[in-house]
Amino acid sequence: DAGITQSPRHKVTETGTPVTLRCHQTENHRYMYWYRQDPGHGLRLIHYSYGVKDTDKGEVSDGYSVSRSKTEDFLLTLESATSSQTSVYFCATSSGTYNEQFFGPGTRLTVL
Amino acid sequence: DAKTTQPTSMDCAEGRAANLPCNHSTISGNEYVYWYRQIHSQGPQYIIHGLKNNETNEMASLIITEDRKSSTLILPHATLRDTAVYYCIVRVEGNNAGNMLTFGGGTRLMVKP
Repeated sequence: DAGITQSPRHKVTETGTPVTLRCHQTENHRYMYWYRQDPGHGLRLIHYSYGVKDTDKGEVSDGYSVSRSKTEDFLLTLESATSSQTSVYFCATSSGTYNEQFFGPGTRLTVL
Repeated sequence: DAKTTQPTSMDCAEGRAANLPCNHSTISGNEYVYWYRQIHSQGPQYIIHGLKNNETNEMASLIITEDRKSSTLILPHATLRDTAVYYCIVRVEGNNAGNMLTFGGGTRLMVKP
């Protein structure tokens, strides 16, 4: 499996506070993705990156921003967290070929 | 991307083959069929993919019908550790949208002793 880590693994925060989730990979994959998973919705793409400083929106990008200053790191920021952003967040990477994506272990975020 | 339809849940006896169906009747000629699974509380895991020929790897076999409108993922000897949600995804390989995957509801496979 690709070396993908996510931090933190669990976080509880309050409405209105900023939150940053980090995804780190050691595989030098070009593409990186942030998904959220909620009961009844499956996995939904938030943002993705196709290179350093190159990012684009996914299906559910409102309320989220991302940054990728290095190949190995992809940050997801909730500028002002809301209760609707309580979810499990997964990072994934891909070398860009054959669509095989490798997923991290996930971050469970609770916004009170 | 073509839409997929999978049963919501299935049971399988441990040691028996698990056959998970997927319908993708609107699949286009350049779309591949991918299978991922997600074990409880873990990130999704790639299993296998194919275009039109049957494929086999160390985890599973993928059987795609000749008209490509449906496929079956086969776990030849299911174990309790194969209990997971299995996702069938149809996707064009390597398009400019960054190889995004669209996960539907999947099939919840329960392997029972």
